[in-house]
Amino acid sequence: NAGVMQNPRHLVRRRGQEARLRCSPMKGHSHVYWYRQLPEEGLKFMVYLQKENIIDESGMPKERFSAEFPKEGPSILRIQQVVRGDSAAYFCASSPPAGKYNEQFFGPGTRLTVL
Amino acid sequence: SQQGEEDPQALSIQEGENATMNCSYKTSINNLQWYRQNSGRGLVHLILIRSNEREKHSGRLRVTLDTSKKSSSLLITASRAADTASYFCATHYMYSGGGADGLTFGKGTHLIIQP
Repeated sequence: NAGVMQNPRHLVRRRGQEARLRCSPMKGHSHVYWYRQLPEEGLKFMVYLQKENIIDESGMPKERFSAEFPKEGPSILRIQQVVRGDSAAYFCASSPPAGKYNEQFFGPGTRLTVL
Repeated sequence: SQQGEEDPQALSIQEGENATMNCSYKTSINNLQWYRQNSGRGLVHLILIRSNEREKHSGRLRVTLDTSKKSSSLLITASRAADTASYFCATHYMYSGGGADGLTFGKGTHLIIQP
């Protein structure tokens, strides 16, 4: 049973470009969470999604960031017009449909570098 | 300040000794989870302890939870060099929305096991 998969593992973008980060949850999991980790910091919650629904996006910056989890395919975190401050590691986690109050299984992360 | 603050920030011990890390939080939680992160890697789930539990064991790990003091501790017994990593506690709020649907992480304790 494959774990949570994220790609790409490393992504380099120039200021003003778009970044698309993908996350495939564990098989059978229907809850997806995105987190951002700055150097030497803990993870900060960004958004919680279920299939075709955004449940809680209170941790998302108001502009340039969006997330989706379509009926088919991976969850996507999209950052438009990236700036240097967006450089960070972005982690996706998933949990089973039994409820959000369960352990979350994390992917290996995507490390975004904005030049 | 944020939930889930770990103490100490860094800990260096000799192989074979026990390592204890503490975590404090501020509001009512459904559960508290401990994760390990090796440098530059994703997070590995260690233990989940629910608000109605006081102690949990998993191999060489022992976690306690004191909801009256809003604190938890992680004990690693008979430490090994491979235990060198950052350890994070993460809390899950009781309520939904406003960021509570995701885990709230502290900044972590960086544990170094000297061979």
